[in-house]
Amino acid sequence: DQQVKQNSPSLSVQEGRISILNCDYTNSMFDYFLWYKKYPAEGPTFLISISSIKDKNEDGRFTVFLNKSAKHLSLHIVPSQPGDSAVYFCAASDRGSRLTFGEGTQLTVNP
Amino acid sequence: DGGITQSPKYLFRKEGQNVTLSCEQNLNHDAMYWYRQDPGQGLRLIYYSQIVNDFQKGDIAEGYSVSREKKESFPLTVTSAQKNPTAFYLCASSIIPGASYGYTFGSGTRLTVV
Repeated sequence: DQQVKQNSPSLSVQEGRISILNCDYTNSMFDYFLWYKKYPAEGPTFLISISSIKDKNEDGRFTVFLNKSAKHLSLHIVPSQPGDSAVYFCAASDRGSRLTFGEGTQLTVNP
Repeated sequence: DGGITQSPKYLFRKEGQNVTLSCEQNLNHDAMYWYRQDPGQGLRLIYYSQIVNDFQKGDIAEGYSVSREKKESFPLTVTSAQKNPTAFYLCASSIIPGASYGYTFGSGTRLTVV
């Protein structure tokens, strides 16, 4: 079963606008969530994370929101830049166990 | 510079042959992982190791084998029993088997069966 789901395979936005990437999970034991960014033919790189005791974490242009009751998290990128074009994976962990990844969302930021 | 090195970057294999993908890290991380990426399926865990001389199967271990004889190295063998081996393979490591520190990934190996 897919415990972490990213239902949008792709997202296209204009430069300067907001990008919102969504992720849903089913395992209520997940207590830590991360977002990774991946360029073609490269490994994913860590972007931002959030603990289940928080509902928001911000780092520059990137903000992650967590809604535990809905089992939903989102990544906001403001303002979006062409260099943000990549595949974004959300991942979750249960009490320090191995990470479970979503399917990924391809973000394209158009100049 | 500390990091994870995967080699080779591109690999071609004939059907019926075994092939070994290399993964070396100099981060002094205890845990290492192998993932497979296919279009639309995200990253799926093949095998992971939390300590030297110990490893566990992930979600899609069939047709694969690993060893962890040294802390720095975690090679993955794709055997002829793997039905659909063509994929992008990623190796990762973490300080401890805990997500709060995140994973560091290598740059991947693209395996193509011809």
